[in-house]
Amino acid sequence: ELKVEQNPLFLSMQEGKNYTIYCNYSTTSDRLYWYRQDPGKSLESLFVLLSNGAVKQEGRLMASLDTKARLSTLHITAAVHDLSATYFCAVAPFMGWSGGGADGLTFGKGTHLIIQP
Amino acid sequence: DTGVSQNPRHKITKRGQNVTFRCDPISEHNRLYWYRQTLGQGPEFLTYFQNEAQLEKSRLLSDRFSAERPKGSFSTLEIQRTEQGDSAMYLCASSTTSPGVYGYTFGSGTRLTVV
Repeated sequence: ELKVEQNPLFLSMQEGKNYTIYCNYSTTSDRLYWYRQDPGKSLESLFVLLSNGAVKQEGRLMASLDTKARLSTLHITAAVHDLSATYFCAVAPFMGWSGGGADGLTFGKGTHLIIQP
Repeated sequence: DTGVSQNPRHKITKRGQNVTFRCDPISEHNRLYWYRQTLGQGPEFLTYFQNEAQLEKSRLLSDRFSAERPKGSFSTLEIQRTEQGDSAMYLCASSTTSPGVYGYTFGSGTRLTVV
């Protein structure tokens, strides 16, 4: 059974600081996703990471994937208040084994991020 | 196309009643997923369809839950004899099996409160 662990689960930080959220998963996968969720809202897709060593950046957010370590990171650079939200990583089953038949995402518990002015 | 649409946005029901939610996916997406999210947790996968075929069901999907996608377009999720533990946000997502496209688009969700 695929398990996804995020840490920290809660993070309060000052504007202008850097921080990293970690996502570990338990079995082989070839697709990892990062989402943002604002209170009472749905999930906004941030990044899709598909291969070992993949790195993607959008504004102050950068995500990376190490499939050998089964680890993804979401790095926040010079945080601003608007980035306050809950961030989820989600992992899809390895396509090579499932043949496309098992496709549901397994989510971590989320990291509740508060950025204070 | 305005994305994945879910109705209703909110539903309050009495314990023991049946409820049905609807999801309209992005029109060119052939896969449709249902997730449940309780407060402070990540979404949990319930089931998914490819076209009209239901290909996978989570063990979370008890026999009180049933989902359909009769013509491979919209989907409904029905919960029979609701219990307080069913209170959650029910999220629908869609995706395509087109080569090279890996994203999932989520709807705004239906928030269910069982009283």
